[in-house]
Amino acid sequence: NAGVTQTPKFQVLKTGQSMTLQCAQDMNHNSMYWYRQDPGMGLRLIYYSASEGTTDKGEVPNGYNVSRLNKREFSLRLESAAPSQTSVYFCASSPSIGHAFGSGTRLTVV
Amino acid sequence: QKEVEQNSGPLSVPEGAIASLNCTYSDRGSQSFFWYRQYSGKSPELIMSIYSNGDKEDGRFTAQLNKASQYVSLLIRDSQPSDSATYLCAGYNFNKFYFGSGTKLNVKP
Repeated sequence: NAGVTQTPKFQVLKTGQSMTLQCAQDMNHNSMYWYRQDPGMGLRLIYYSASEGTTDKGEVPNGYNVSRLNKREFSLRLESAAPSQTSVYFCASSPSIGHAFGSGTRLTVV
Repeated sequence: QKEVEQNSGPLSVPEGAIASLNCTYSDRGSQSFFWYRQYSGKSPELIMSIYSNGDKEDGRFTAQLNKASQYVSLLIRDSQPSDSATYLCAGYNFNKFYFGSGTKLNVKP
């Protein structure tokens, strides 16, 4: 039982490159989330999906897109990476009783 | 104004003491609240949840919720050096979780 699996763990991108962060959960949760965490800023919600087939913007959606591929998988795409997107990204899945987080992706955009 | 506010700390307590962590929230529609512990370089892990006014105890941890005053607190009894981490408070309302920026706790041996 892996819980929430995120890939990759580390990534360095050049400005303007694109990439997709992958997330999968095996807990049969309906809701999935993408956050970014920056020093002193806490966790900020990028996008979330309350159920398969739905996605909604969070607090900081600009520069990102998401796809809820099925109940298990929720991906985050950066179409044209910018240095301001350097951060640690966490995927989470949840019933309403609290998140289970993935191990995180440390992304650096140079 | 952030939805959930926490003092960033650091909060330093000696080993064996009670650590008291606090957070306030602005959304009166928030239905439930959570405390997460995050070690440096790791992902947050859920340690307590609370849904109704009053206290909820789990081992050395007690969560307290006061909806009238819009604050949530976490007490850690008999603090251990292994409790040294950043503690994140979060509120939940209609599919969204709102996180505070976290309080760093240092427990000194």
